[in-house]
Amino acid sequence: DAGVTQSPTHLIKTRGQHVTLRCSPISGHKSVSWYQQVLGQGPQFIFQYYEKEERGRGNFPDRFSARQFPNYSSELNVNALLLGDSALYLCASSIDIFSTNEKLFFGSGTQLSVL
Amino acid sequence: DQQVKQNSPSLSVQEGRISILNCDYTNSMFDYFLWYKKYPAEGPTFLISISSIKDKNEDGRFTVFLNKSAKHLSLHIVPSQPGDSAVYFCAAMGLNAGNMLTFGGGTRLMVKP
Repeated sequence: DAGVTQSPTHLIKTRGQHVTLRCSPISGHKSVSWYQQVLGQGPQFIFQYYEKEERGRGNFPDRFSARQFPNYSSELNVNALLLGDSALYLCASSIDIFSTNEKLFFGSGTQLSVL
Repeated sequence: DQQVKQNSPSLSVQEGRISILNCDYTNSMFDYFLWYKKYPAEGPTFLISISSIKDKNEDGRFTVFLNKSAKHLSLHIVPSQPGDSAVYFCAAMGLNAGNMLTFGGGTRLMVKP
């Protein structure tokens, strides 16, 4: 079975540009979450979607937005890129969001570099 | 405001010995804790978890201990193997948090043959 897949794996953008990152969850998983991992730090929660609805939002500016599609795949969009947006963006999926025993399965991430 | 802290950025251990990774948290609302392991160029993978109603959970070579009064948890790996070399993240989740995790900064474990 395929795991969580993210595209692209690497991306280079310049300041002020816009970027779209994509994520396909494990088959049967209805929840997708996005995390940002800056070099040397732990992942930081950005968004959570379940059944195409936003269920949680972390402490990120409005330049960050996301959505989940009917097939449960997801996009993370970042507008007006700043140098500080350079990070590894991780997508994680889970079957649902209601059980504490429900594990998150992470993709390998998209490494975004903003120049 | 770091609610989950891993104060040791790195740890070096000899193969066959015990590795102890520590994690502290400040938010009393956290009630479920997890450890993830991350290899370079891969996403974090789930290792072991513990609910706040327990003080110990064991899975093979991995044991997690929780001290709620001290707001401290630790991961013990016995015996350590070179393949355990990775970055380990402690994560916490609150009741009804719906799988939204708060991660620590990570500890890089190096197991020397």
